[in-house]
Amino acid sequence: DGGITQSPKYLFRKEGQNVTLSCEQNLNHDAMYWYRQDPGQGLRLIYYSQIVNDFQKGDIAEGYSVSREKKESFPLTVTSAQKNPTAFYLCASSTRGENTEAFFGQGTRLTVV
Amino acid sequence: DAKTTQPNSMESNEEEPVHLPCNHSTISGTDYIHWYRQLPSQGPEYVIHGLTSNVNNRMASLAIAEDRKSSTLILHRATLRDAAVYYCILSLLNAGGTSYGKLTFGQGTILTVHP
Repeated sequence: DGGITQSPKYLFRKEGQNVTLSCEQNLNHDAMYWYRQDPGQGLRLIYYSQIVNDFQKGDIAEGYSVSREKKESFPLTVTSAQKNPTAFYLCASSTRGENTEAFFGQGTRLTVV
Repeated sequence: DAKTTQPNSMESNEEEPVHLPCNHSTISGTDYIHWYRQLPSQGPEYVIHGLTSNVNNRMASLAIAEDRKSSTLILHRATLRDAAVYYCILSLLNAGGTSYGKLTFGQGTILTVHP
């Protein structure tokens, strides 16, 4: 089955450590995205990539980094510079066609203690 | 970017129709109207989208006002599985005339469905 996979579902880290969240898709989509969601809030865009080896900052990119070396993969690193990293992180992908839908993963809940 | 306004919450009874409103008074001619829904602790799920004409699919209908300043998502017969947060989102076309999944989410409408 085609889809978008995020792992792990739950992640715990100590403050000051970098952590990388995985996002893989087998939908052959060109575009991929990372969103952050805080309790009771909507999603906010962190980074997005429209093509391999290219990515753009979203609305809240500070303290995060990404890479897009393969079409299928778009990992997100939460660095120690991110002041409030505890959140629900969602990855999505879409085609480059006109106004196509975005497909979301099931999310990774990161808790920094 | 154009913004959307939705009620914080709505309630419905099972098997009754639900009309979820969305105001987007600053919408531009190239903005598409998208609806997604999100169940607790899950990623959002696409529901429907449209530009000017009303749209129907297996999940819902989208009614778009003639001036495009508002729209309504219609669930024809609500079920308990339709209880979720519903987001009304505007997506922009880029210079090439295509749109990607770069969506700006608001807080959405929490839909409660009573048995």
